[in-house]
Amino acid sequence: SYALTQPLSVSVALGQTARITCGGNNIGSKSVHWYQQRPGQAPVLVIFRDNNRPSGIPERFSGSKSGNTATLTISRAQAGDEADYYCQVWDSSTSVAFGGGTKLTVL
Amino acid sequence: QVQLQESGPGLVKPSETLSLTCTVSGVSINHNYWSWIRQSPGKGLEWIGYIYYSGSTNYNPSLRSRVTISVDTSNNQFSLKLNSVTAADTAVYYCARHSGEVAVAHHYFDYWGQGTLVTVSS
Repeated sequence: SYALTQPLSVSVALGQTARITCGGNNIGSKSVHWYQQRPGQAPVLVIFRDNNRPSGIPERFSGSKSGNTATLTISRAQAGDEADYYCQVWDSSTSVAFGGGTKLTVL
Repeated sequence: QVQLQESGPGLVKPSETLSLTCTVSGVSINHNYWSWIRQSPGKGLEWIGYIYYSGSTNYNPSLRSRVTISVDTSNNQFSLKLNSVTAADTAVYYCARHSGEVAVAHHYFDYWGQGTLVTVSS
């Protein structure tokens, strides 16, 4: 099965930049998508196809890829950005793969 | 607007079959892919499987032997059956719509239901 590796937690000071990574073999050749999940709520898409924002998602959210790592960047972090974040790709072995999730804490 | 709503029993006994339905409103279920995704308490997201409106399916290899997903286009619904459940199947179950890219390999989930908690317990 295809594994996506995310850090369990990331902390960021209010107003600073948070970066959440997602590592996977040959991830550079795959479309990476990111979801935000606040406690008790369903996931919400924040980035699709590596670096595209759905309508309604602030410009502070951006995505990138380099080598075997994709990164979700949240600029000018706000208290409301505290949530779990998941990356997702499609892989021929498992079809859909999710990362284990990263808990973002805004200090 | 597109809305998805899961429904079904919140409590299932061990060894029995978990059955859930996702009712889609605001868009036709036709010409799209639809998935079931679950999340065990305090854990991450696990994809269960998807169905195309035509009825073709694809399942997570780890659950394939116990899962059946079906579609009812006349009622704009799709359903999940998971048999021989154990406590490990206790989770919030979500239904979700796939994005409309031509290539499945680029699909993401653009609309989600609110989720429904299913507990497996005697």
